Amino acid sequence: DAKTTQPTSMDCAEGRAANLPCNHSTISGNEYVYWYRQIHSQGPQYIIHGLKNNETNEMASLIITEDRKSSTLILPHATLRDTAVYYCIVRGGADGLTFGKGTHLIIQP
Amino acid sequence: AAGVIQSPRHLIKEKRETATLKCYPIPRHDTVYWYQQGPGQDPQFLISFYEKMQSDKGSIPDRFSAQQFSDYHSELNMSSLELGDSALYFCASSLRTGVHTQYFGPGTRLTVL
Repeated sequence: DAKTTQPTSMDCAEGRAANLPCNHSTISGNEYVYWYRQIHSQGPQYIIHGLKNNETNEMASLIITEDRKSSTLILPHATLRDTAVYYCIVRGGADGLTFGKGTHLIIQP
Repeated sequence: AAGVIQSPRHLIKEKRETATLKCYPIPRHDTVYWYQQGPGQDPQFLISFYEKMQSDKGSIPDRFSAQQFSDYHSELNMSSLELGDSALYFCASSLRTGVHTQYFGPGTRLTVL
């Protein structure tokens, strides 16, 4: 699976949009971009995934660049409960997930 | 909606003892994954099963073994426990068809004294 690079930490004001970037320059054509988050010691929570097109669900939006070498997860209206470590994972097939260091997102009141 | 169930949620063992963790996947999910997360670490993939067969293998120690049963639940068996095995153990499940999105359980916290 392709390696990803994310900022170590980010701050965002409550109520504002949180934009979390991820670089995955070695992504292969059949690999998806997944985003998970982990709120302190809880099980990782699936957020969203995409292949080429931008995706949106009730939790977030995922913007993937045309060359697929980077993506951005957008939480449109961040709340204090969105404080967590966010993991960007690139994966093809049904293999186990490789978690990198992730981004520690802190939502400020 | 039903989620992944793990039991027990907390477990305390002595060094050199054995432990068995159980995972019940989301109904109709046929693939199970195990992950280990040490203190201050990111989750690390151990092993996965599909249709009772080992599907993928990560950094699972030789002292650990796992299996999947006909009802798709899985058990992680850990022997000769060491202090360093103290960690959160997560199970995830997915459907083999489609995109294979994994959904995680709440985890079992294992403490080895």
